[in-house]
Amino acid sequence: AQKVTQAQTEISVVEKEDVTLDCVYETRDTTYYLFWYKQPPSGELVFLIRRNSFDEQNEISGRYSWNFQKSTSSFNFTITASQVVDSAVYFCALSDLKNRDDKIIFGKGTRLHILP
Amino acid sequence: NAGVTQTPKFRVLKTGQSMTLLCAQDMNHEYMYWYRQDPGMGLRLIHYSVGEGTTAKGEVPDGYNVSRLKKQNFLLGLESAAPSQTSVYFCASSSSGPNTGELFFGEGSRLTVL
Repeated sequence: AQKVTQAQTEISVVEKEDVTLDCVYETRDTTYYLFWYKQPPSGELVFLIRRNSFDEQNEISGRYSWNFQKSTSSFNFTITASQVVDSAVYFCALSDLKNRDDKIIFGKGTRLHILP
Repeated sequence: NAGVTQTPKFRVLKTGQSMTLLCAQDMNHEYMYWYRQDPGMGLRLIHYSVGEGTTAKGEVPDGYNVSRLKKQNFLLGLESAAPSQTSVYFCASSSSGPNTGELFFGEGSRLTVL
C-alpha cells in the first residue's frame, strides 16, 4: 500500500536559517513518482517538483533542493537561507504505477514558519 | 489565466441540506480530482475522474457523489450534509495523470455544516 509520512507537523526557524522538511514514503512498486507541493497562506496549492524513482540525482532550484534516497525511502526538501515568504504548509506526495487508479497520495503536511 | 475555478468559495449548510460544488478547468485536462483538507489530516482524495463520463472513488468517498458530464467540469455533490463534512475542498486537474503530470489546484471551497 502507498503511504507518505511527514513526521514534522510544524517547524519554526528564524529567517536566513536553513531548514529541511522530511518525507518518508512506502510503496511496493519499483516505478513511482514523488512530488512536493507548497500551500501558502492564500490557500492554493502550488506544484514544486516531480521526481521519478529511476532518477536519484539530487535537484537544486535556487534556494530549494531535494534529496532523494531510495535506500531510506526518503525525499527530503531543504530551503537554504529561508525567507518569510517561504512560510507555508508543504506537502509531499506519492504515486506509483502499480496503483492503476491514477491517484496521488499526500502526506499530512508540514507547516513551516519563518520568523523575521 | 483562469486555470481551475471552484464555486462557491464559501458555504454554510445545515445538517441534512444538499449542495453541489462546481469545478471548472480551461486547460483541456483529462484528469480531475476532488480532495478535502482537514487539520492534521492533510489532503484526502474523495473522488476522481480520468476522462469525460468517468468517475471513480478515492480514499474517502462516502457521503459524496460526483459527475463529469463535460470534460471541463467536475461536480461534487453532498446529498445530505453532515457536520463531519465541514472541510476545505480542493479541486485539481492534470493533463497526463498523476504519475507524470503535475496537479493544478483551485483556490479551495470552505464548507461549514452546522
